[in-house]
Amino acid sequence: QQPVQSPQAVILREGEDAVINCSSSKALYSVHWYRQKHGEAPVFLMILLKGGEQKGHEKISASFNEKKQQSSLYLTASQLSYSGTYFCGTVGGSNYKLTFGKGTLLTVNP
Amino acid sequence: EPEVTQTPSHQVTQMGQEVILRCVPISNHLYFYWYRQILGQKVEFLVSFYNNEISEKSEIFDDQFSVERPDGSNFTLKIRSTKLEDSAMYFCASSGFSGTDTQYFGPGTRLTVL
Repeated sequence: QQPVQSPQAVILREGEDAVINCSSSKALYSVHWYRQKHGEAPVFLMILLKGGEQKGHEKISASFNEKKQQSSLYLTASQLSYSGTYFCGTVGGSNYKLTFGKGTLLTVNP
Repeated sequence: EPEVTQTPSHQVTQMGQEVILRCVPISNHLYFYWYRQILGQKVEFLVSFYNNEISEKSEIFDDQFSVERPDGSNFTLKIRSTKLEDSAMYFCASSGFSGTDTQYFGPGTRLTVL
């Protein structure tokens, strides 16, 4: 069952913040966040393992609430280069496949 | 920095023809995957491969599809008799020592079936 992402799309001005959410109805082992620009492959951003950790990567960070099976991606002081579609991929149980959400289209305008 | 490579970048074929998409995973990785993405849609899992056998496959991965690791470096996806609906971007990915490690994606092969 695919994770649910929200919002579907968000438009920001450069410097503004955004939060992208990812939730699953089943128990998760890990959540993987990727950014994909048009016509390109998904690029790995970060992985969160069960344990409710929070990780950061420059101005992009993420949290994973294991009890709620939810993860959030935080983008602060957005830059034009942040534009793209953000996908969360979840891994649950004994299999290792990534099940992706439908993505969140982020547009950062000057 | 090591990366996953895929060839060709674009493949055009006639319906009913066989195609082989090739991938070279990161050299010390043990887990390999194929995903596909129909234009404008999400990335979908096709198959995972570990220790020279399929570990999981999706319902999309029917008898028309097969995977192979013919040597120590290549990982291939074969579609025996292509259909129009097979047109998509096909991404290969690999991960290191555990199936829960980061999966690194190759640049993709755009398959167009006419």
